[in-house]
Amino acid sequence: NAGVTQTPKFRILKIGQSMTLQCTQDMNHNYMYWYRQDPGMGLKLIYYSVGAGITDKGEVPNGYNVSRSTTEDFPLRLELAAPSQTSVYFCASSYPPVGSNQPQHFGDGTRLSIL
Amino acid sequence: KQEVTQIPAALSVPEGENLVLNCSFTDSAIYNLQWFRQDPGKGLTSLLLIQSSQREQTSGRLNASLDKSSGRSTLYIAASQPGDSATYLCAVKPTGTASKLTFGTGTRLQVTL
Repeated sequence: NAGVTQTPKFRILKIGQSMTLQCTQDMNHNYMYWYRQDPGMGLKLIYYSVGAGITDKGEVPNGYNVSRSTTEDFPLRLELAAPSQTSVYFCASSYPPVGSNQPQHFGDGTRLSIL
Repeated sequence: KQEVTQIPAALSVPEGENLVLNCSFTDSAIYNLQWFRQDPGKGLTSLLLIQSSQREQTSGRLNASLDKSSGRSTLYIAASQPGDSATYLCAVKPTGTASKLTFGTGTRLQVTL
């Protein structure tokens, strides 16, 4: 079982460049999430989606955009990369909502450096 | 605003020792609390989830307790093994929110031979 798959695993960007972090899950989960984890810090929620066509902001949405055209995919886009966006990005999925007795499944992360 | 703190930030113990990891949160109005494990270069794996009405949950050598009124949770690991070496994160789900977890900063555990 693939679970939650994130691509790429590593990426270096120049300031001002744009890119899309891909996330796909094969568990037919309705809920999907994007987090960022800075060194020595906990995870902070960027955006989440409760189903195809529905997205909402998390704690730190500025500088990011998301879309959810299918149940499986939840890409995260950086339009104008800034050094403050250097971080490790995690995608996760769950069914039903996070915090129920069902666990949240995480991808292995994308390590992004912006120079 | 909910804040979650984990102390200590790092811990090193010899193999076979029992140990306790601590998690504290500032707002006791939580729906549940989860403990996760994170291996280097990997994502998070859910270990235990405690509902707000529960006092503890057990899975194998792991036991998590919750004292909601004092804003504290502990993760007890019995007979530690080198394979337990990882970062352990706790996260709370506040009541009234749709899907938002608030994470602690984690405790990095090293179990030595």
